[in-house]
Amino acid sequence: DAGVIQSPRHEVTEMGQEVTLRCKPISGHDYLFWYRQTMMRGLELLIYFNNNVPIDDSGMPEDRFSAKMPNASFSTLKIQPSEPRDSAVYFCASSLAQGGGVYFGAGTRLSVL
Amino acid sequence: GQSLEQPSEVTAVEGAIVQINCTYQTSGFYGLSWYQQHDGGAPTFLSYNALDGLEETGRFSSFLSRSDSYGYLLLQELQMKDSASYFCAVTGGSYIPTFGRGTSLIVHP
Repeated sequence: DAGVIQSPRHEVTEMGQEVTLRCKPISGHDYLFWYRQTMMRGLELLIYFNNNVPIDDSGMPEDRFSAKMPNASFSTLKIQPSEPRDSAVYFCASSLAQGGGVYFGAGTRLSVL
Repeated sequence: GQSLEQPSEVTAVEGAIVQINCTYQTSGFYGLSWYQQHDGGAPTFLSYNALDGLEETGRFSSFLSRSDSYGYLLLQELQMKDSASYFCAVTGGSYIPTFGRGTSLIVHP
């Protein structure tokens, strides 16, 4: 398997613009996670899905953030409108339901100017 | 809720052995896992302990004591490329891991 695939790898945008991050999890994994990493706050869980269903979005910072998983092989994280404080590395990750390891994508480095 | 504590930084010399400790608090426990992250990279899964004891994978070993809510990652024969951040993560009742703040390992020649 190619692992978790994220796109784009880098995104530079202006404040107020819409940003869409994309993720393809590892085939057969039941859980999909969206994390955000910054120096100040470390690795934060934003939202996770189980079998394509959003289970807990309590980590989503504001209504400007939304996430969808229309099928088992694709998820999006959208920020609208974006703000400079959203600048961070966003990771998508997936895992099996039985526990064990979480496998991360390469991340999207977002800069909002 | 869940919380973890691990040292913020550890330094060691090439060829040495280093241990990174992790203590956790959780309601419900399934396992403790470890991840490595190089600067500019993504966290990479290293190991997962669900039962007490030591798991060995090459130069890396991971230990768990559920009664003490404690685990550690042991790195042997340190190499310069081992300089990275190491995260412990506890998986609680919902199979969802909570990550610690990470330990920056600096390996000197």
